[in-house]
Amino acid sequence: DTGVSQDPRHKITKRGQNVTFRCDPISEHNRLYWYRQTLGQGPEFLTYFQNEAQLEKSRLLSDRFSAERPKGSFSTLEIQRTEQGDSAMYLCASSLLQGTGDNEKLFFGSGTQLSVL
Amino acid sequence: DAKTTQPNSMESNEEEPVHLPCNHSTISGTDYIHWYRQLPSQGPEYVIHGLTSNVNNRMASLAIAEDRKSSTLILHRATLRDAAVYYCILRDDKSKAAGNKLTFGGGTRVLVKP
Repeated sequence: DTGVSQDPRHKITKRGQNVTFRCDPISEHNRLYWYRQTLGQGPEFLTYFQNEAQLEKSRLLSDRFSAERPKGSFSTLEIQRTEQGDSAMYLCASSLLQGTGDNEKLFFGSGTQLSVL
Repeated sequence: DAKTTQPNSMESNEEEPVHLPCNHSTISGTDYIHWYRQLPSQGPEYVIHGLTSNVNNRMASLAIAEDRKSSTLILHRATLRDAAVYYCILRDDKSKAAGNKLTFGGGTRVLVKP
């Protein structure tokens, strides 16, 4: 078990550019979540997948954001036409849903820190 | 959605116990109480969770009030590595229906002094 892996760890981009982040979940985990965290705040939910299906998107996820999880394995989060307000830590988490989900635990990666200049 | 209230920060001495309170007066009967912590420059990590009874694991203990309107996370012997932000989160039926997403508040920043 190598944990949840995110790439890159840091990304600096200019306003208006597109960026893509990758998340590799723990093997056999069927759920994958994306969160965003700004300095001094707790993480905020963006979206989640169950296997390859994207089942919910937060209102925080504007049209410039898109996430995919082809084949229910790794996931990508793309931000188009980045804005300075997109600067944040983007966190990925995975979990194994069993039964009712009452004991579901999320395992987080170390995140991708995005800076938009 | 039921909310939680936590102190912004707490200090502790190394090797001493730390008691982190969490108020959740609007908790419903089916809400689970979850605790996660976030070490500097890392993503959150699961600590413990419970419904009604007190819970213990290798990381911490969770004491839940009889009326469930509050709970306390107990770190029995704080180490420098326990310095982190600790989040108390309610996992409610609405969250479960929506994929068990976690709604994080501001958490409690724990400082451990050597």
